[in-house]
Amino acid sequence: NAGVTQTPKFRVLKTGQSMTLLCAQDMNHEYMYWYRQDPGMGLRLIHYSVGEGTTAKGEVPDGYNVSRLKKQNFLLGLESAAPSQTSVYFCASSYWTRSGIGETQYFGPGTRLLVL
Amino acid sequence: TQLLEQSPQFLSIQEGENLTVYCNSSSVFSSLQWYRQEPGEGPVLLVTVVTGGEVKKLKRLTFQFGDARKDSSLHITAAQPGDTGLYLCADIYYSGTYKYIFGTGTRLKVLA
Repeated sequence: NAGVTQTPKFRVLKTGQSMTLLCAQDMNHEYMYWYRQDPGMGLRLIHYSVGEGTTAKGEVPDGYNVSRLKKQNFLLGLESAAPSQTSVYFCASSYWTRSGIGETQYFGPGTRLLVL
Repeated sequence: TQLLEQSPQFLSIQEGENLTVYCNSSSVFSSLQWYRQEPGEGPVLLVTVVTGGEVKKLKRLTFQFGDARKDSSLHITAAQPGDTGLYLCADIYYSGTYKYIFGTGTRLKVLA
């Protein structure tokens, strides 16, 4: 049981290049999330998914696209990278009971992205 | 938009000392969580508090939820180097679906 895994761990891009970050979870969770973490700003939600084939925008979606073709995978794409997208990206997954209170998010180890 | 502010931003203490970090919200929390994030890893859930005035203990960590559910504190007794990390508070709110909003974090370093 690997939990949540992310690939790659680290990447350097030039401005204008594209790339895809892959997140995979083996806990059969319905919900998956992509966050970015910048110094002094905590975690900010980019996009999220409440199930296979569905995605929605979070707090900072501009410049990113996502896809959830399979329940266990959530992909984050950067079509044309910009230096402002230099950050650490975290994927997370969770399940929800009917109460929706206190459900745990399980995070991956992160992808460190540097855009030059 | 709800804002979660954590204080202090940074804290460096000696092993064995006690400390308290705080999380304050601009609006009432729905359900407050505390996470710890170690360097190079993702956050890991420590505790969830739901009821105003609630106190939960996890070994040397004591979590308090304010009566008005707009603030919370995390107290660590006899800190150890293994407590080093970034402490994040988060609220779970419903806006069509359940989402999380995270605080800015307190970075703790415990020196041996």
